[in-house]
Amino acid sequence: QEYLVESGGGVVQPGGSLTLSCAASGFTFRTSGMHWVRQAPGQGLQWLAFIQYDDSNKFYVDSVKGRFTISRDNSRNTLYLQMSSLRVEDTAVYYCAKVLRGTGPLDLWGQGTQVTVSS
Amino acid sequence: EFVLTQSPGTLSLSPGERATLSCRASQSINSRSLAWYQQKPGQAPRLLIYGASNRAAGTPDRFSGSGSGTDFTLTISRLEPEDFAVYYCQQSGVPPQWTFGQGTKVEIK
Repeated sequence: QEYLVESGGGVVQPGGSLTLSCAASGFTFRTSGMHWVRQAPGQGLQWLAFIQYDDSNKFYVDSVKGRFTISRDNSRNTLYLQMSSLRVEDTAVYYCAKVLRGTGPLDLWGQGTQVTVSS
Repeated sequence: EFVLTQSPGTLSLSPGERATLSCRASQSINSRSLAWYQQKPGQAPRLLIYGASNRAAGTPDRFSGSGSGTDFTLTISRLEPEDFAVYYCQQSGVPPQWTFGQGTKVEIK
């Protein structure tokens, strides 16, 4: 059975930092591209970042460039999202997701972790 | 800026009825890069359709996708109670854009 489990969410003040983790199991993590996607309260899905299976390419949505960093440790089957200079509007549920193949659709999602940015 | 526009925003239907959801792209895309997801309250999204018309593993055959260029459609032939949810289209596979549409809510009439 394939699983993704996010952790690291919480409450942080504006301007603060947080690192999310996503532990993968049940599939070959080192050959899978991975994404972070978020969902603000009552809103739709927003793609945030992608990292290729071998760390050779990373892409970000404009609104998080320079503030968020996606990374991975294939020896630990773990994906990360380092977030800094957090804003109130970054409050959301953050999901990690696996690519079906290549740079294609997201076929496996974690359950999400809540990040709340508030003073 | 690339945008996916879904319509309608909300679809009110009864179980057993047919649902037709639209997703329009602001510019022509390769149909191989169009995916549909289902999300139920409190749950993560789930991949339903990829490559515009290919059902993902576990997707019932009452779900079908079609379209090309800028216009894509998700059809649910006969709504089951478990199909009432929010549906998102997404462009995938074309870095650096993995844009989602704003979603269509299918609710019980």
